[in-house]
Amino acid sequence: ELKVEQNPLFLSMQEGKNYTIYCNYSTTSDRLYWYRQDPGKSLESLFVLLSNGAVKQEGRLMASLDTKARLSTLHITAAVHDLSATYFCAGGGGSNYKLTFGKGTLLTVNP
Amino acid sequence: DTAVSQTPKYLVTQMGNDKSIKCEQNLGHDTMYWYKQDSKKFLKIMFSYNNKELIINETVPNRFSPKSPDKAHLNLHINSLELGDSAVYFCASSPSGGTNTQYFGPGTRLTVL
Repeated sequence: ELKVEQNPLFLSMQEGKNYTIYCNYSTTSDRLYWYRQDPGKSLESLFVLLSNGAVKQEGRLMASLDTKARLSTLHITAAVHDLSATYFCAGGGGSNYKLTFGKGTLLTVNP
Repeated sequence: DTAVSQTPKYLVTQMGNDKSIKCEQNLGHDTMYWYKQDSKKFLKIMFSYNNKELIINETVPNRFSPKSPDKAHLNLHINSLELGDSAVYFCASSPSGGTNTQYFGPGTRLTVL
């Protein structure tokens, strides 16, 4: 059964700094997803990574996938307060349909 | 236009009651899901339907019963509610092809007193 581990679970950073959230998964996964959740809100899809070496970027966020290491990263560049949220990675999906989520990383960006 | 909608948004009820949550999607997706998010924000899948057929049925008490009257709707009925059922329940939907990205509804916050 697929297990997904994120770290860190809590991340407090200053505006303008860079940081990386790591997502390890235990067995082969068809694909890897990243979601954002604001407090009291729904989950918003950020990225889906479909193959080894895939890299996707949107604004200050960049996600990558290394299927050999079973590792995905979400890199934050020059953080701003608006990025404060909980970020989840999830593996599985595809023909399997079932997504297994990590525990989430609560990111707080301080001025 | 709302893509995935759920009603109600908040549900406060007493232990032992029976309640339902409704979900509708207007994205034309074939697959719909129910997830439970606990107080620590951990998300776990409960059920999934593909073209009205149950395809995922995780270890969930049989007090929980999903029903999919058509591809666009997936409802969740909960019997004999318990304190531990308090959580946020999210509905989601996804297409069969492409990236299979799951799109989530706004959530229903269930509080059992």
